[in-house]
Amino acid sequence: DADVTQTPRNRITKTGKRIMLECSQTKGHDRMYWYRQDPGLGLRLIYYSFDVKDINKGEISDGYSVSRQAQAKFSLSLESAIPNQTALYFCATSDFGSGKELETQYFGPGTRLLVL
Amino acid sequence: GQNIDQPTEMTATEGAIVQINCTYQTSGFNGLFWYQQHAGEAPTFLSYNVLDGLEEKGRFSSFLSRSKGYSYLLLKELQMKDSASYLCAGVDSNYQLIWGAGTKLIIKP
Repeated sequence: DADVTQTPRNRITKTGKRIMLECSQTKGHDRMYWYRQDPGLGLRLIYYSFDVKDINKGEISDGYSVSRQAQAKFSLSLESAIPNQTALYFCATSDFGSGKELETQYFGPGTRLLVL
Repeated sequence: GQNIDQPTEMTATEGAIVQINCTYQTSGFNGLFWYQQHAGEAPTFLSYNVLDGLEEKGRFSSFLSRSKGYSYLLLKELQMKDSASYLCAGVDSNYQLIWGAGTKLIIKP
């Protein structure tokens, strides 16, 4: 079984709709992240959470919100989807601390979102 | 500001060697990662350097020069399955990863 899972894997929605992307992990990591990836732009951080009570905005948080329901679950919501939010979304996890073993991020398989 | 620069695309021949360069500017420095990402798939960890020098891992090696703000990923004995994007990411003083846009590597027979 995959250590980091994302649902749904693919989603088509219409402008103005609210949608939620979910991420679960079995790695026991404290830190979780949401990224979006667009062609030619690389990974951009939307939100991150260092533990259940800690939520932080990333580089491009406008139009998004998150919820850390438990150590293992981190959800991303688009309150009112717009076409330029069409992208590939990745959830990632890492352990706490410093150094390779503790900072390496492990990614889920991604969610392809199309906003019409 | 913080910035990671790497070439957009490179082409190499099966069986050959290719070097993918990365220059970085981060607020503080706590290491540099290389990840591999096949099209439509998740990035996967390749290497991490925090000290100057070369680290070898099979066909892949990664080099770091902190004084020059420079790293490279060296891939030897290229195989068709190495066709992918290679992402460079620097770790800043807050232990946040700053990602480059990735280098798409095309392997030709």
